[in-house]
Amino acid sequence: AQSVTQLDSQVPVFEEAPVELRCNYSSSVSVYLFWYVQYPNQGLQLLLKYLSGSTLVESINGFEAEFNKSQTSFHLRKPSVHISDTAEYFCAVTGGYQKVTFGIGTKLQVIP
Amino acid sequence: ETGVTQSPTHLIKTRGQQVTLRCSSQSGHNTVSWYQQALGQGPQFIFQYYREEENGRGNFPPRFSGLQFPNYSSELNVNALELDDSALYLCASSSDRNTEAFFGQGTRLTVV
Repeated sequence: AQSVTQLDSQVPVFEEAPVELRCNYSSSVSVYLFWYVQYPNQGLQLLLKYLSGSTLVESINGFEAEFNKSQTSFHLRKPSVHISDTAEYFCAVTGGYQKVTFGIGTKLQVIP
Repeated sequence: ETGVTQSPTHLIKTRGQQVTLRCSSQSGHNTVSWYQQALGQGPQFIFQYYREEENGRGNFPPRFSGLQFPNYSSELNVNALELDDSALYLCASSSDRNTEAFFGQGTRLTVV
């Protein structure tokens, strides 16, 4: 069984400030980890993923996440946020059988 | 290469009715998963179809059923609709050669 805990339901942050969205997971098998972003009234878009190899993964729009096996975490970070980053972010885990288990989401509100 | 498409985008049904939602998978993908995302929640796994066979099911009652066709498109059927079935229904397709799921934009179902 797998589970995902997103520790913050809402995170307000000022524009150009750094942000960290926290995610912890539990699983009895090796995992693949994902962050998805959801804009209002839209589906999910993959932001970044960890499958294997380097524990630090990056997206094309400046987000990064680090897989920490000992702490079972996959926190999402960005050094400087923009207004356009306002969205809901979901951490997700799969054991490789393609059923994806999601957290409840973190709403990132970027304040001008 | 086309992405995952879902139809319709919005739907209003009356309690007790039946509904069919449709999903066209991404080219080259043979696996389709369906998720229910209630307001303010993360997506919940309903079931998965792989090469026309059900390949895993979440904690949903039997009135949630599905099909996958030879072209790997899929349907989600819900009988005896209840008010709590109101949600965004997401379809995701993937290939058995990788673990990344690509999501459609979803169908917003409202039961009144």
